[in-house]
Amino acid sequence: AQSVTQLDSQVPVFEEAPVELRCNYSSSVSVYLFWYVQYPNQGLQLLLKYLSGSTLVKGINGFEAEFNKSQTSFHLRKPSVHISDTAEYFCAVSAGGYQKVTFGIGTKLQVIP
Amino acid sequence: DVKVTQSSRYLVKRTGEKVFLECVQDMDHENMFWYRQDPGLGLRLIYFSYDVKMKEKGDIPEGYSVSREKKERFSLILESASTNQTSMYLCASSAIGTGEADTQYFGPGTRLTVL
Repeated sequence: AQSVTQLDSQVPVFEEAPVELRCNYSSSVSVYLFWYVQYPNQGLQLLLKYLSGSTLVKGINGFEAEFNKSQTSFHLRKPSVHISDTAEYFCAVSAGGYQKVTFGIGTKLQVIP
Repeated sequence: DVKVTQSSRYLVKRTGEKVFLECVQDMDHENMFWYRQDPGLGLRLIYFSYDVKMKEKGDIPEGYSVSREKKERFSLILESASTNQTSMYLCASSAIGTGEADTQYFGPGTRLTVL
């Protein structure tokens, strides 16, 4: 079985400040890790993913995430946020193959002007 | 670009009605999924399908059924809608294969209200 924990349900941050959204996972096997973003009244879209290789993964819109196997974490970071980053962010994990993807409950990022 | 479309953005139904939610993807993906999204609960998997006429229960299948008669189309059916099925419903699809495995592409969602 696998699970995802997003430690913060809401994160307020001032515009141009850095942000980190935290994600921890548990799984008995090797995993693929994902961050998705959901803008208001839209579906989810992929921000970035870790499948293998370099533990630092860069995604769209200046976001990046680091896979830390020893701490079972996959935190999302951005050095300087913009108003347009206001959205809900979902961390997800999969064991690959025909295994289902498990999503976290989401973190709402509110960027304050 | 992968495109996943859902038949309605907003839907209002009455308790006891039979409700059909349609999802179509245009990228020849093998896998299709139905989730519901509720505040504080994130996304919960209702049903998924790995092939035509094939379906598997997700985490919360009770009160729902699905149909996949064609590869590009995956329908979610609420046999007798109830107020606790008021929610946002998201459809997704994904391909099979290294690299793309498990990357899901989502539709815009259908916000269903059951009165």
